[in-house]
Amino acid sequence: QVQLVESGGGLVKPGGSLRLSCAASGFTFSDHYMSWMRQAPGKGLEWVSHVSRDNSYTNYADSVKGRFTISRDNAKKSLYLQMNSLRAEDTAIYYCARISTGESYFEYWGQGTLVTVSS
Amino acid sequence: EIVMTQSPGTLSVSPGERATLSCRASQSVSSNLAWYQQKPGQAPRLLIYGASTRATGIPARFSGTGSGTEFTLTISSLQSEDFAVYYCQQYYNWPPFTFGPGTKVDIK
Repeated sequence: QVQLVESGGGLVKPGGSLRLSCAASGFTFSDHYMSWMRQAPGKGLEWVSHVSRDNSYTNYADSVKGRFTISRDNAKKSLYLQMNSLRAEDTAIYYCARISTGESYFEYWGQGTLVTVSS
Repeated sequence: EIVMTQSPGTLSVSPGERATLSCRASQSVSSNLAWYQQKPGQAPRLLIYGASTRATGIPARFSGTGSGTEFTLTISSLQSEDFAVYYCQQYYNWPPFTFGPGTKVDIK
């Protein structure tokens, strides 16, 4: 069965950095675009970034552009999100998700990892 | 950017009753619309894609209709496990992928 397990969240000071990871299993990882979403406490869902099957194509929400970098390692079946220059408003649960082949909806989601940006 | 809106913000329904949730796009998204369910403390789960196709394992009491800018998610007979927040999401014109603000379905 499809499993996505995020890790790497935690408490970080404003201006700091954090790297999130998402370990995938139960499917051919290299066949799918992958994405990160986030959800601030008590708020709705926000798409953050996505990456093509071979790392050649990435996109970012304006709110994180220039600060976050998405990448993947198909050999390790892992997705990453490098987050720099973190701000209080980046505080959220971060979810990785598999994008369906052919259409761009989010088929499967991980359980999320909490990132708290606070001094 | 396509802006998604949902109504109502909260829907109070008794178990066994029908629930109708609405989603509107600021411009046409054709049928490129998905619905997700999120229970407290859990990740979102895909319910519907292509505006009307149920995802794998989703019960038949969930149905989606609509195209263009107006969409509806109907839960024909609410079960206790259906009380949750429901989000719509467009994937017609991206980036960015955009979600609606959600409709909370709670027990009346």
